[in-house]
Amino acid sequence: RKEVEQDPGPFNVPEGATVAFNCTYSNSASQSFFWYRQDCRKEPKLLMSVYSSGNEDGRFTAQLNRASQYISLLIRDSKLSDSATYLCVVIEWGRNQFYFGTGTSLTVIP
Amino acid sequence: EAGVVQSPRYKIIEKKQPVAFWCNPISGHNTLYWYRQNLGQGPELLIRYENEEAVDDSQLPKDRFSAERLKGVDSTLKIQPAELGDSAVYLCASGGLDNNEQFFGPGTRLTVL
Repeated sequence: RKEVEQDPGPFNVPEGATVAFNCTYSNSASQSFFWYRQDCRKEPKLLMSVYSSGNEDGRFTAQLNRASQYISLLIRDSKLSDSATYLCVVIEWGRNQFYFGTGTSLTVIP
Repeated sequence: EAGVVQSPRYKIIEKKQPVAFWCNPISGHNTLYWYRQNLGQGPELLIRYENEEAVDDSQLPKDRFSAERLKGVDSTLKIQPAELGDSAVYLCASGGLDNNEQFFGPGTRLTVL
């Protein structure tokens, strides 16, 4: 079983749609969780951190469910510029366990 | 403020040749990471430095890969000899003391022929 699993997609959604991605992780001792965005042939960039209490930044909402060991990203009112690959990151600092998911590809269609 | 700098951006070599990648992290960042990213995959951590100390190199294929960060600032990742399967993008990232965000460089795209 992979440490972190994501649905690779692709997700093709119309502008204005709401789309959600999930990322499951296997290590219950994981401590830090993030969503990164990666544009084609570019480096990953931090989109947002994920907290147990939930985290919202404009149209983006991230949630952590420790009991079921998954994190989620919700994008509301999708824009063309949201088209990218979204990577989840799960970290256990004590054992230096850093895992990126394979990424979920999103294309927002006009 | 300058971001993470990597060079070269692209490298094409024949198998069995050596290759080296260089990374200069953001000024003041004491944590430095080297990742490898294959097409369609997420980045895979190779080695993590805290200042000049490699705190985790368990994922580094030590038979052919080596890395150093002698003065705790810039770092070099070397492959010798390169194999066909080493073709990938090699990403360097740095982070500050809070370790909450990793800032990535543009990467070096390696092609081994």
